[in-house]
Amino acid sequence: DSGVTQTPKHLITATGQRVTLRCSPRSGDLSVYWYQQSLDQGLQFLIQYYNGEERAKGNILERFSAQQFPDLHSELNLSSLELGDSALYFCASSPSQTVAGGGDTQYFGPGTRLTVL
Amino acid sequence: AQKVTQAQTEISVVEKEDVTLDCVYETRDTTYYLFWYKQPPSGELVFLIRRNSFDEQNEISGRYSWNFQKSTSSFNFTITASQVVDSAVYFCALSDWSGSARQLTFGSGTQLTVLP
Repeated sequence: DSGVTQTPKHLITATGQRVTLRCSPRSGDLSVYWYQQSLDQGLQFLIQYYNGEERAKGNILERFSAQQFPDLHSELNLSSLELGDSALYFCASSPSQTVAGGGDTQYFGPGTRLTVL
Repeated sequence: AQKVTQAQTEISVVEKEDVTLDCVYETRDTTYYLFWYKQPPSGELVFLIRRNSFDEQNEISGRYSWNFQKSTSSFNFTITASQVVDSAVYFCALSDWSGSARQLTFGSGTQLTVLP
């Protein structure tokens, strides 16, 4: 158990809908990262938040957004869902005591499997 | 060009055989970090090891060992005396600077199947 929790475990929804995925980082970790794992794209970095501020963006679509709250939990919002958004979404956390984040180990949650029908 | 290349898509071995998973990376940074993660059939990503670019000392941990060679930009992972429970997808990853922050880039993974 990595200490990172994600809810829900599974989500089934229809095209055009909006969903919210939730992540609680390990105790004491300030950085939260979101990744998408799909068969065709592999594991792709989406976005990072550090202590409530957006820190880095990867291949995140405009239809997707995230935020990190004062208690450090994070939410990933996916809107106008398409069939191709079906994937496993991982949240990870790391200590990142400095903004530069010196190559901290990222510990991953169990993932949320999203199925868009 | 891919930053992290795992050329072996699938490997199948018989229990008790040794197996080496290859990883080649590409970066312009002088300070970077390399990782191996394991994804068993249950789906979670499990951290195995982290190395920084200044530490080329190879490591052995139980049945696992890692061979980091900067000269060839490789970070290979060996399982000795493999077991059925080692069956999983193994990912190599590189943390280096991309824009204003470090990002973790994963290879495409190697599916390891250990047969009884």
